[in-house]
Amino acid sequence: GAVVSQHPSRVICKSGTSVKIECRSLDFQATTMFWYRQFPKQSLMLMATSNEGSKATYEQGVEKDKFLINHASLTLSTLTVTSAHPEDSSFYICSASAGLAFYEQYFGPGTRLTVT
Amino acid sequence: GQQVMQIPQYQHVQEGEDFTTYCNSSTTLSNIQWYKQRPGGHPVFLIQLVKSGEVKKQKRLTFQFGEAKKNSSLHITATQTTDVGTYFCAGMGSGGYQKVTFGTGTKLQVIP
Repeated sequence: GAVVSQHPSRVICKSGTSVKIECRSLDFQATTMFWYRQFPKQSLMLMATSNEGSKATYEQGVEKDKFLINHASLTLSTLTVTSAHPEDSSFYICSASAGLAFYEQYFGPGTRLTVT
Repeated sequence: GQQVMQIPQYQHVQEGEDFTTYCNSSTTLSNIQWYKQRPGGHPVFLIQLVKSGEVKKQKRLTFQFGEAKKNSSLHITATQTTDVGTYFCAGMGSGGYQKVTFGTGTKLQVIP
């Protein structure tokens, strides 16, 4: 089956620093990648949708300048949390799909971000 | 905005009992998917339903999409301990490509 990797799996950073999370589709070309945030024991909250070569579409309430998304190739998307604060601590999960429509999403293993 | 609710939030069942989770959307959906997330893991795709009234089966799992395409259900027959996890529905609104909204999830615990 399709495999999506995320790196790093865990990261601890100091308040005010920036953190980059990578999401890669290993064995297929991902036309669309999604970035989610999941709080403990809660559902997945869609942050943004990115299509290769174009600007990401952010959900209402998600700050574009704080959560920078780059989808430079069909196998790589990155999420950069800029000037991180403790309230940004969360589980960030990416997913990838091979189509522009609502096709099956393949999820990465997630990244646990802790901001101290 | 679109909201997708699931009930129940939690369910404890004895191994061998049946289990059902219900998914309700505030708006009509073009299609719906179901995912399972094991504790500490990431969501894994189970199935996609597209047609009104559609019913699909995967071994002990039965998925149904409502006639009005606003609700869906997942039924597990004779639960096993391997069924433990949180089950999410995820839907997209009708009328073209729109955002994906995940349901609130139902956490299933199976008691051996």
